[in-house]
Amino acid sequence: QKEVEQNSGPLSVPEGAIASLNCTYSDRGSQSFFWYRQYSGKSPELIMSIYSNGDKEDGRFTAQLNKASQYVSLLIRDSQPSDSATYLCAVNPLKTSYDKVIFGPGTSLSVIP
Amino acid sequence: KAGVTQTPRYLIKTRGQQVTLSCSPISGHRSVSWYQQTPGQGLQFLFEYFSETQRNKGNFPGRFSGRQFSNSRSEMNVSTLELGDSALYLCASSSGTALYGYTFGSGTRLTVV
Repeated sequence: QKEVEQNSGPLSVPEGAIASLNCTYSDRGSQSFFWYRQYSGKSPELIMSIYSNGDKEDGRFTAQLNKASQYVSLLIRDSQPSDSATYLCAVNPLKTSYDKVIFGPGTSLSVIP
Repeated sequence: KAGVTQTPRYLIKTRGQQVTLSCSPISGHRSVSWYQQTPGQGLQFLFEYFSETQRNKGNFPGRFSGRQFSNSRSEMNVSTLELGDSALYLCASSSGTALYGYTFGSGTRLTVV
């Protein structure tokens, strides 16, 4: 089992719709969870971090965490063509603060005008 | 404040050669992590340095090495290059803990021919 798994994609949604991106992780002791956005030819950019169960909202983005199910999701409301990118789920798998961050393979999102 | 600076942006090397990549983290950040990104494997952790010490290492052969200087700048070296080393090499900066996510540099695109 891979440490961090994501929807294989690509995911296409019409402009204005909600895009839902999912991620599961294998290490139950994981403490911090991130969503990065990576445009083609660019480096990843941190867009959301979440540490406790529940929802965290930031503008059009909502991250959801369920540690019991080892599941993290990202919802993008009112999707825009500029949201078209690859979204990387990332997990800090252990409790020590300096442990490596493990990235999922990414889900490619395309927002159709 | 200045972001994460990686040099060079692009490199073309031949098999068997060695290469050195450089990363200057955000001012005040003492942790530098290196990742390799390829289409097939995604983002793979290479190693992490904090205050000139390697704190964590990924599953890469010994041909991949790194170091960090007293000003927090880091270099990674790949010796005896192989075709499979062609990738985007990303440097990630953090204050010292991975709990709050990383800021990535623009990356170095290495092509081995």
